[in-house]
Amino acid sequence: EADIYQTPRYLVIGTGKKITLECSQTMGHDKMYWYQQDPGMELHLIHYSYGVNSTEKGDLSSESTVSRIRTEHFPLTLESARPSHTSQYLCASSDLKAFGGEAFFGQGTRLTVV
Amino acid sequence: GENVEQHPSTLSVQEGDSAVIKCTYSDSASNYFPWYKQELGKRPQLIIDIRSNVGEKKDQRIAVTLNKTAKHFSLHITETQPEDSAVYFCAAPGDAGKSTFGDGTTLTVKP
Repeated sequence: EADIYQTPRYLVIGTGKKITLECSQTMGHDKMYWYQQDPGMELHLIHYSYGVNSTEKGDLSSESTVSRIRTEHFPLTLESARPSHTSQYLCASSDLKAFGGEAFFGQGTRLTVV
Repeated sequence: GENVEQHPSTLSVQEGDSAVIKCTYSDSASNYFPWYKQELGKRPQLIIDIRSNVGEKKDQRIAVTLNKTAKHFSLHITETQPEDSAVYFCAAPGDAGKSTFGDGTTLTVKP
């Protein structure tokens, strides 16, 4: 079934560690996004991509990096985790259109930095 | 870039009443306006959307209206039920289709 998958679902990690959050989609979408969201709160765009080898920074500076080597894969890396990074991270994808297109979200990764 | 404002931030209604959430946007070139529902502990999911060539779209108890002149669009939920309790987000496409989301509305339907 076409979907968007995130791993891990939950992660507890120590301060200063490097971590990579995985996101893969099987819908053939060109556009992919990473959002940070505290429970029930706003969606803050961290990074987005229009396709392979395309990466752009969003509105929230989160000291993270992304890569897009394959269409279906869009991992997010935190080089040095801090307690302020504790949050939920949502990956999303949509069709490449000039404007608009439904965004499909993954289940999210709930990150806790201790 | 696109700026989306969503009101109210919280909304509490009695079961059976109607609920209305409004969003305004800034980019007059925007032409796609979705609404997402996020239940507690779950991912946001599209519930209804509208394109700028129509003024209203309805799907059972939910409807979306669009006023392009005033640059606002609204979500209407009639005959609310407890399962409608969730956070609702509007969105509008920003630069080159990068969606900008509103800050969300927490809807509580009291039985």
